[in-house]
Order: sequence, then structure tokens, then C-alpha cells
Amino acid sequence: AQTVTQSQPEMSVQEAETVTLSCTYDTSESDYYLFWYKQPPSRQMILVIRQEAYKQQNATENRFSVNFQKAAKSFSLKISDSQLGDAAMYFCAYRSARNSGYALNFGKGTSLLVTP
Amino acid sequence: GAVVSQHPSRVICKSGTSVKIECRSLDFQATTMFWYRQFPKKSLMLMATSNEGSKATYEQGVEKDKFLINHASLTLSTLTVTSAHPEDSSFYICSASSVSHEQYFGPGTRLTVT
Repeated sequence: AQTVTQSQPEMSVQEAETVTLSCTYDTSESDYYLFWYKQPPSRQMILVIRQEAYKQQNATENRFSVNFQKAAKSFSLKISDSQLGDAAMYFCAYRSARNSGYALNFGKGTSLLVTP
Repeated sequence: GAVVSQHPSRVICKSGTSVKIECRSLDFQATTMFWYRQFPKKSLMLMATSNEGSKATYEQGVEKDKFLINHASLTLSTLTVTSAHPEDSSFYICSASSVSHEQYFGPGTRLTVT
């Protein structure tokens, strides 16, 4: 079974600064997807960024980028120019690429606090 | 983007009663839907995977007779918590998977059993 580990229960960043959230995973598969989801106080899960394992290029979405190290099984999220609205729980997730019938496997989450 | 709705958003029921939660994909057909449970300040735990027209697949430790899942159409899956107990109080989230394999989450349902 695949496991996803987020070793930082809480992180804090000042507005406009950069913060990196860590995620490691364990799998024997070669083809899979990795995701970062944001869960604000409303508890709606919001997809932040997604990475296909077969792609070497790191995914980026505006202020959000990842550092995907396949050999190390590491998938960190970098948030640049942090904004107050970035405060939320962030979950790293893994999914097999074999078919759409595989659920997401989530890490325990990192609570991000953004200070003015 | 694809939209998934859940109804109700909040529900309070008495111990021993049953409550049904609906999950709908509004603008796409979902061959697979997933039900998750989330305790306060915890991660999402998969309860079951639901495929249209077939029986749901439950995760280990999830009682299938207590958490009844029906996926009668490509746009609707329901979770019924039967004979609810206070320990069933939780936040329940569904997600729906499209043919592109992307998963879209509903807004969740907060269940409180008194």
C-alpha cells in the first residue's frame, strides 16, 4: 500500500514570503499522480497542483510550484509571495495512474498560518 | 470546471435513526465516486469506492451494513448512515472521478448524531 507522509503538522510564513511544505511517499509503482490540495476553513477541498510521475518537469501554477524528486520519492510544495488567503490545511495526495477507480491516498496534512 | 454537490451540508439526527447524504456530479458523468470521512483536524480517510451500477468496495474496518452506498446513476451516489450513533458524527466528503481521471470534491456534509 502506498503511504504519504507530511512531516510538518504546522508551518508559519509571513505575508509576501516563501514557504515550502514537505511530502514524501512510498510506492512500488512507476506511474502515478501526485497532488497538493488546499482545505480552507470552509472545508472544501481545492486542487492546488498536480504532477504526473512520468513528467520530469516540475508543475507550476502561478505562485505554487513543486519540487518533484522521483528517485527520492519527494514532492514538496513551494508557495511564493504568500497571501493571507493561503492560510489553510494542505494535503499531499497520491493516486495510482492505472485507472480512475483508484482513490486518493492523503497525507496527514500541514496547517499553514500566514501572518501579516 | 466540474462541479460536485452534496446534500445536505449539515444534518443533525438522533441516535438510532438513519440519514442519507447525496453526492451529485452536476456537469459530468462520474463512473466512480468516493466517500471519505474526516475527523476534526485530521486527514481524509477513504471509506468506500462506488462504481455506477455495481456494489461499492469498502475499506477495511468500514461496516458495509452501517454505511450503505448506492450509485444508481452516473451522476448520483448516496451514503446512508444506518442506526446512527454519536461516534458516527463526522464530516463526510464525496468525490467524483471523470473519464479524465481527475477527481472533483463535494463541499462535504457535517453529520451530528445526538
